[in-house]
Amino acid sequence: GAVVSQHPSWVICKSGTSVKIECRSLDFQATTMFWYRQFPKQSLMLMATSNEGSKATYEQGVEKDKFLINHASLTLSTLTVTSAHPEDSSFYICSASEGDGLNYGYTFGSGTRLTVV
Amino acid sequence: AQSVTQLGSHVSVSEGALVLLRCNYSSSVPPYLFWYVQYPNQGLQLLLKYTSAATLVKGINGFEAEFKKSETSFHLTKPSAHMSDAAEYFCAVTSYSSASKIIFGSGTRLSIRP
Repeated sequence: GAVVSQHPSWVICKSGTSVKIECRSLDFQATTMFWYRQFPKQSLMLMATSNEGSKATYEQGVEKDKFLINHASLTLSTLTVTSAHPEDSSFYICSASEGDGLNYGYTFGSGTRLTVV
Repeated sequence: AQSVTQLGSHVSVSEGALVLLRCNYSSSVPPYLFWYVQYPNQGLQLLLKYTSAATLVKGINGFEAEFKKSETSFHLTKPSAHMSDAAEYFCAVTSYSSASKIIFGSGTRLSIRP
């Protein structure tokens, strides 16, 4: 079945530094990728939707300049948390779909636990 | 706009007992509904999905859900709980008109008592 690899699975960084999270579709071409943020014991909140070769579409309230999303190829999307602060600490999850997700389905990565100290 | 409401943030059942996790949806267009399971510090795994075909949907690990339009519900059930079913469960909704964005419910933590 479809597999999405997310890396790293966890990262600790100092306040003020930037962190890049990668999301790769291993056996299919992901025309659309989604990035979610999940706070402890809470649901997933959609941050942005990215289509290969296009600028990401951010959800209301998500800072574009802080959460940089790049979807340069059909198998790779990256989320960069710039100038991270402790309040950015969270669990970040990516999801990918091949074409129309309704028919092809959505595959989720295993998530990245970000801790900013 | 679409939304899902999961009734009960925590459900506890005995091993071997019926599992029932409740989900109600709101959608002005025909919905596509999903149930996902999440184990600690992991991503989400699809249990089953409703895409306007059969209203009774069977998924993995013995789970099933029934789409009831009149009740705007999509409850998840399993006849006999196993210890390995302990996890967080999310109901989610999307549609063709939502640019395939999935909206998740708040989640229900399922605990299994020995």
